[in-house]
Amino acid sequence: EPEVTQTPSHQVTQMGQEVILRCVPISNHLYFYWYRQILGQKVEFLVSFYNNEISEKSEIFDDQFSVERPDGSNFTLKIRSTKLEDSAMYFCASTWGTGELFFGEGSRLTVL
Amino acid sequence: AQSVTQPDIHITVSEGASLELRCNYSYGATPYLFWYVQSPGQGLQLLLKYFSGDTLVQGIKGFEAEFKRSQSSFNLRKPSVHWSDAAEYFCALLPITGGGNKLTFGTGTQLKVEL
Repeated sequence: EPEVTQTPSHQVTQMGQEVILRCVPISNHLYFYWYRQILGQKVEFLVSFYNNEISEKSEIFDDQFSVERPDGSNFTLKIRSTKLEDSAMYFCASTWGTGELFFGEGSRLTVL
Repeated sequence: AQSVTQPDIHITVSEGASLELRCNYSYGATPYLFWYVQSPGQGLQLLLKYFSGDTLVQGIKGFEAEFKRSQSSFNLRKPSVHWSDAAEYFCALLPITGGGNKLTFGTGTQLKVEL
């Protein structure tokens, strides 16, 4: 069964460092998302991406964040200069438009 | 703006007992509704979804949920809980129109199963 895959599963970084989280969405999907879950809190929407551009972003998704789909299969989230409060589980999701999102297993980011 | 409320932060049930997890939503029309389950250290797995039609929907692992428009609720149920059901459960809403294409999640209910 097709699935969304994310790498790395866990990344530890120093504050101020750049981080790139990678996702391979399901191949025929058209809409791509990043969500974040800070430990003990609810899952929050960060950004949605369609037709090679951001379609919607939350207030969390500031200038430190960027997304791109560089090669038609990968979908990446970049955090330019990480802060302690960026420590969270980051989930990638995709859908072909039915409304049902398929989530990856997440990338845990720890900022020290 | 839409919102999802899960009033129970923690629930403990005995194995074999029935389970109901509550979910209420706020949205100006009938939304798409989902229940996801998250085991420790794992991703989000879709249990079931409601788009339209029959208000009682069946999902995986023996779960079902009932959409009640009058109560703006979408409660999750299971007649007999197994120890492996211990996990965190999230209710989520997707607007049909006007709310973009993003899911809004509730804060989750942590389920503990006593043997």
